[in-house]
Amino acid sequence: GAVVSQHPSRVICKSGTSVKIECRSLDFQATTMFWYRQFPKQSLMLMATSNEGSKATYEQGVEKDKFLINHASLTLSTLTVTSAHPEDSSFYICSARIASSYEQYFGPGTRLTVT
Amino acid sequence: GDSVTQMEGPVTLSEEAFLTINCTYTATGYPSLFWYVQYPGEGLQLLLKATKADDKGSNKGFEATYRKETTSFHLEKGSVQVSDSAVYFCALSGSDYKLSFGAGTTVTVRA
Repeated sequence: GAVVSQHPSRVICKSGTSVKIECRSLDFQATTMFWYRQFPKQSLMLMATSNEGSKATYEQGVEKDKFLINHASLTLSTLTVTSAHPEDSSFYICSARIASSYEQYFGPGTRLTVT
Repeated sequence: GDSVTQMEGPVTLSEEAFLTINCTYTATGYPSLFWYVQYPGEGLQLLLKATKADDKGSNKGFEATYRKETTSFHLEKGSVQVSDSAVYFCALSGSDYKLSFGAGTTVTVRA
């Protein structure tokens, strides 16, 4: 149980275009979903926290107008990278949390390459 | 704020060697502690966890004990295998449910 999926697993887009990444909890309802960014050989950096039906809370230094997060249901959150630039190329990972649990379940990640 | 300090790698071992990765933390209150493992090109998998002082988390031969007096959660395995080659992250979760990660330790096990 507690499986989180992400789609797509890899995406290549041209500079200036927007890309949407989906994060789904497949067998549970996620009270909260988190979005992380991971640079090569580095740790995960929390970008934002999203609760179903409310606006996402962004970490300091993360542009909310560039990284649009929507948490439309208890099983789906989306991250849209708007007007992507090569510096946005990274590994994006989502996680989901069940109410009253500290544990987060991670998706397999999405490799974004902006050319 | 909450933070995790993790032993820097990379660590290279031979099969059947003993592995230890040090992890210490700074937190207010009583955090939950985790070890995650990341295989190449994949997301994170929970390896083990401990939610209160003196708890021992264990899984797949790995162990870690929540030591409040030394604010530590060191990861150990008595006999590693090639398949244990991965990046290991120590993490804590505080009252806001956010995870704070250590820098990660790359472990390579040679046959």
